[in-house]
Amino acid sequence: GAGVSQSPSNKVTEKGKDVELRCDPISGHTALYWYRQRLGQGLEFLIYFQGNSAPDKSGLPSDRFSAERTGESVSTLTIQRTQQEDSAVYLCASSLAGQGGHGYTFGSGTRLTVV
Amino acid sequence: GDSVTQMEGPVTLSEEAFLTINCTYTATGYPSLFWYVQYPGEGLQLLLKATKADDKGSNKGFEATYRKETTSFHLEKGSVQVSDSAVYFCALLYNTDKLIFGTGTRLQVFP
Repeated sequence: GAGVSQSPSNKVTEKGKDVELRCDPISGHTALYWYRQRLGQGLEFLIYFQGNSAPDKSGLPSDRFSAERTGESVSTLTIQRTQQEDSAVYLCASSLAGQGGHGYTFGSGTRLTVV
Repeated sequence: GDSVTQMEGPVTLSEEAFLTINCTYTATGYPSLFWYVQYPGEGLQLLLKATKADDKGSNKGFEATYRKETTSFHLEKGSVQVSDSAVYFCALLYNTDKLIFGTGTRLQVFP
């Protein structure tokens, strides 16, 4: 597609429920990144995919968080047993391999609210 | 570890005022440095970048110079417009393929 697409744009969920956030990167972009932006804070790195493998998942905050990528395309970030502190905007970005920060394209994010 | 520190906002200016948003970094080496901008309701966009010491990145009237001696990458614009109102993020990339961001600085420009 023309840009990075994330869905849903907004999600309100009850504490303890599981949620899935989806990211469709730009076609041909082999690198994909997930970040989290809590209110009033900077972007926290969560996980990085190169193709379908995740060489760096150091930012995942707990074992309730997981992500996968299939077909070197769509990625899903799953949060199990959501907690209120998970409320944030979750941002996805993609880039061509090796370009790193020089070629990131970000999606508009998913705003997750846990009540 | 590597980190980026930005001045806290919001920064509130009148149109045509001079803008400076401070950014300093900590890194073991010589990272590439970036400024990203997030306009209301939109995703983050790359504004400018610099890959080595003394490089100056520039775009849309904004400039930032990579200062190794002060580990800084301050964003400047000589005359801001209402349309520049946004959140600005400083970021670094070093030795990995992931960006490390600052906390962001909200700029509000009034006519």
